[in-house]
Amino acid sequence: ILNVEQSPQSLHVQEGDSTNFTCSFPSSNFYALHWYRWETAKSPEALFVMTLNGDEKKKGRISATLNTKEGYSYLYIKGSQPEDSATYLCAFEVPGNQFYFGTGTSLTVIP
Amino acid sequence: KAGVTQTPRYLIKTRGQQVTLSCSPISGHRSVSWYQQTPGQGLQFLFEYFSETQRNKGNFPGRFSGRQFSNSRSEMNVSTLELGDSALYLCASSWGSASGPYNEQFFGPGTRLTVL
Repeated sequence: ILNVEQSPQSLHVQEGDSTNFTCSFPSSNFYALHWYRWETAKSPEALFVMTLNGDEKKKGRISATLNTKEGYSYLYIKGSQPEDSATYLCAFEVPGNQFYFGTGTSLTVIP
Repeated sequence: KAGVTQTPRYLIKTRGQQVTLSCSPISGHRSVSWYQQTPGQGLQFLFEYFSETQRNKGNFPGRFSGRQFSNSRSEMNVSTLELGDSALYLCASSWGSASGPYNEQFFGPGTRLTVL
């Protein structure tokens, strides 16, 4: 069983604050790393797919970085807004279409 | 393009009963994966079907089974329900490439199963 860990488990920030969280995964035989946003009562929505060491992806105020040699990825949110409140999941993909998910970081942005 | 649909959305059963959940993937996708989510746990992988064949299987007891039809729709069955089976069950569809570069999984809204 492959271990994917996310930290922190939950986070409360004020509107306008910037924040970041971590996804740790095995550093050997890297294939792909996925980030999802999961809002309450909705389906998880894909944010980024990262495949190369040093990758940086950005979508609006959200960005992610990848370090495959040390086995971690950071997700950053700049100037958090209440609509950013969600659980953020990372998933480590291995060949053969298998995904191993972390337990997620629950973000609450306080207006 | 229609998204992934799951039926029913909510289900209440009693211990010992069995249940069948359905998932219709995005048109053209040949892979359907099933996940269980319980409080405090990440998404736990149940199994993946690709072109009507179970290709990958997670670490769940044999009470959990599934199948996939020729139109790629998939069903998941849980027999002899236990209280611990209460969970959100998500399915995800993808092209299902086994050789890369990567797959994108698109999730349905889930079925919330409550076992009393």
